[in-house]
Amino acid sequence: QVQLVESGGGLVKPGGSLRLSCAVSGFTFSDYYMSWIRQAPGKGLEWVSYISVRSNTNYADSVKGRFTISRDNAKNSLFLQMDSLRVEDTAVYYCARGGATRFPYWGQGTLVTVSS
Amino acid sequence: QSALTQPASVSGSPGQSITISCTGTSSDVGGYNYVSWYQQHPGKAPKLMIYDVSNRPSGVSDRFSGSKSGNTASLTISGLQAEDEADYYCTSYTTSSTWVFGGGTKLTVL
Repeated sequence: QVQLVESGGGLVKPGGSLRLSCAVSGFTFSDYYMSWIRQAPGKGLEWVSYISVRSNTNYADSVKGRFTISRDNAKNSLFLQMDSLRVEDTAVYYCARGGATRFPYWGQGTLVTVSS
Repeated sequence: QSALTQPASVSGSPGQSITISCTGTSSDVGGYNYVSWYQQHPGKAPKLMIYDVSNRPSGVSDRFSGSKSGNTASLTISGLQAEDEADYYCTSYTTSSTWVFGGGTKLTVL
């Protein structure tokens, strides 16, 4: 079955960097858009970024220029490089299959905490 | 891109029907049929309940239905059950080729 497993979350100081990974299985990774979606503690969902099957990318204004999404089709993996982190980036980050029309599958999320 | 507007909370008794609205603009909800709805129980990942305005994924109960009129999409849950108590989020594709979510609605089953 479809599985998405995020890793790489943790505690980082403001201005620091972190790289999230998402390992997928159960489907042909290279055939699908992939996305990152986050949820601040006690808050709603916020779309962060997607990458197309041809590696075209797009970002929310709140992260543009600071975050970079990428994929490694040979390793069935999705990544999110997060630089210049801010306190307001604190959230659970979900990896999701989709981004073209919908998000049918989600991982369990990884918590990123930005604090001094 | 501003978040889509959803009521903060709705409630209903078991067996009743409720409707959650999701209001955007012509640049998102009104401009595309890529509107989907997600259910999220506490501490869990969101689950897709409705996609492309009114389509249900396999395995989702037919008590869940979706519709759209102009810039407002709606999720209706009929025959409310205790396990429907959760947070619900709408999302829409936008003219900027991005996605925007609603603020979320907490459904309480009385």
